[in-house]
Amino acid sequence: AQSVTQLGSHVSVSEGALVLLRCNYSSSVPPYLFWYVQYPNQGLQLLLKYTSAATLVKGINGFEAEFKKSETSFHLTKPSAHMSDAAEYFCAVSVESSASKIIFGSGTRLSIRP
Amino acid sequence: DAGITQSPRHKVTETGTPVTLRCHQTENHRYMYWYRQDPGHGLRLIHYSYGVKDTDKGEVSDGYSVSRSKTEDFLLTLESATSSQTSVYFCAISVVQGARLSKQYFGPGTRLTVT
Repeated sequence: AQSVTQLGSHVSVSEGALVLLRCNYSSSVPPYLFWYVQYPNQGLQLLLKYTSAATLVKGINGFEAEFKKSETSFHLTKPSAHMSDAAEYFCAVSVESSASKIIFGSGTRLSIRP
Repeated sequence: DAGITQSPRHKVTETGTPVTLRCHQTENHRYMYWYRQDPGHGLRLIHYSYGVKDTDKGEVSDGYSVSRSKTEDFLLTLESATSSQTSVYFCAISVVQGARLSKQYFGPGTRLTVT
């Protein structure tokens, strides 16, 4: 069965510093991978997705993620953190090409220090 | 947001009472989902639907039932609410393009408290 593990339930970085949120997946077949962001008291928004077209995926708000099959990882990065990036981030995996189940990680809360 | 609304947005109920949450979408998407979100657990799938009257269980379906009599509405029912069902509930739909998953959109959430 597919699953995702997010390393670190809370990450804190200074404004302007690199953001790195870690996600490792488990899947016996090529996965579809996603990163979602959730701002306080809101639903989830899709940041970016990997569906095998390219290993480096660019998303909204300056975020990007790289699919590394050898490491079974899909880490999310942003070169320079902004105060507005403070939110909770979820990695998710789906191995089925049809629209059915997506499995979410437990989330990483990102805090930005002034 | 794919025209997803949830009602009610907030509800407080007593243990043992039945509760129904409604998810409504306006764009005729085939696939709909109910998740619950709890600290430290992320989002966990309760039930999902792949068409009118076609539903299936997710990973935490015990104590919940669903119904989908129309494309636009997906109802989640707690037959007899328990305190462990205090959570934030999210409805979602999936957009499929060319028989492949494109993206998933989420509703604004329903905060349910069972006292």
